[in-house]
Amino acid sequence: QSVLTQPPSVSGAPGQRVTISCTGSSSNIGAGYDVHWYQQLPGTAPKLLIYGNSNRPSGVPDRFSGSKSGTSASLAITGLQAEDEADYYCQSYDSSLSALFGGGTKLTVL
Amino acid sequence: EVQLLESGGGLVQPGGSLRLSCAASGFTFNNYAMSWVRQAPGKGLEWVSGISGSGGSTYYADSGKGRFTISRDNSKNTLYLQMNSLRAEDTAVYYCAKDHDSSGYYYGDNWFDPWGQGTLVTVSS
Repeated sequence: QSVLTQPPSVSGAPGQRVTISCTGSSSNIGAGYDVHWYQQLPGTAPKLLIYGNSNRPSGVPDRFSGSKSGTSASLAITGLQAEDEADYYCQSYDSSLSALFGGGTKLTVL
Repeated sequence: EVQLLESGGGLVQPGGSLRLSCAASGFTFNNYAMSWVRQAPGKGLEWVSGISGSGGSTYYADSGKGRFTISRDNSKNTLYLQMNSLRAEDTAVYYCAKDHDSSGYYYGDNWFDPWGQGTLVTVSS
């Protein structure tokens, strides 16, 4: 069981908006540590999607956005496309555990 | 273009050892901390170990402390993970990942970009 909690799955129809939550605690996200997000397409390595809570690397569409508040963070995907079907992971830091990841969320595009 | 290429995975018996390598190119290797992250079959990501750019500081998750050793050869632009006393639960794809920060210091809250393609380690008799 991961220290950062994500819903196991979310789904949405093409064009819709979905959000993925990442819930931590006062020793990680709530302590002020940044949250980063990765996308893992089937059979491939994870790819950085959002860094520093809400920043997009070059090449990542602005359909993807991140936010953080208190002990939680969220990834939002608007204008859902079939190619967005993937696993999504949040990452933060805990002073007792070093880098840590959420359990991952599988996004299904209906 | 930054590239990371892992090798060294394979089938090993419980209690055995394996050394993974990650050949890096496209950036000044010794300027960046590096990490190993693993993913068990059908499971999520787990950070395994990190090392500063100079190699002078190393960090481990509890799951590998005392069994795994991370190191790097900056003259060869290569990162290593020596794994001893392997267990069935160590079965996973092991990814090497580059820290984003060019200071060379390892900060646990940094993000990883990019990742290698991974190498599969299977621990089974």
